[in-house]
Amino acid sequence: ETGVTQSPTHLIKTRGQQVTLRCSSQSGHNTVSWYQQALGQGPQFIFQYYREEENGRGNFPPRFSGLQFPNYSSELNVNALELDDSALYLCVSTSGSTGELFFGEGSRLTVL
Amino acid sequence: GIQVEQSPPDLILQEGANSTLRCNFSDSVNNLQWFHQNPWGQLINLFYIPSGTKQNGRLSATTVATERYSLLYISSSQTTDSGVYFCAVERSDMRFGAGTRLTVKP
Repeated sequence: ETGVTQSPTHLIKTRGQQVTLRCSSQSGHNTVSWYQQALGQGPQFIFQYYREEENGRGNFPPRFSGLQFPNYSSELNVNALELDDSALYLCVSTSGSTGELFFGEGSRLTVL
Repeated sequence: GIQVEQSPPDLILQEGANSTLRCNFSDSVNNLQWFHQNPWGQLINLFYIPSGTKQNGRLSATTVATERYSLLYISSSQTTDSGVYFCAVERSDMRFGAGTRLTVKP
């Protein structure tokens, strides 16, 4: 049990649609990051939020956006879905005291 | 950005065997963690080990930060050890290697 919960666990969308993925992390974990893991690959860093502001971004286009809320929840939004967006999306919270990462179980997105 | 290389990419063992997984990284890092991803996709934190050696049961890990590598040792492997093992390193954000896929056969 990592204390990080994601929803939905699975979803199917069609190309061009928009999707919102949600994450709830542990109290006191002020940093949340989102990763995309395509089949057979390691997780790729999308972006990171600290105290509700984006403070780091990987090599992903602007149609990937996020929000972090004061209650330690966050969202990943993807607009204009493409087939290659099909992946496992992982939410990660960081312990402010130790720096350890705690992963959610992920949201598996399939784009048809 | 920082490069993380893991080896071997695939490893097949007989139950009871020992193994060593390696992670090389291209620059100095603040943190390093080893994760196990189970068949359902859940990433489990094994070790938080920016330097030194840690042991947890049959697993142990060593990071030599000055030489930019870390090793994960699995002794007396069990079928439940199967899955993908990831090394992740942090400078400004965490970057993952491509993983080592371990299959332990009964």
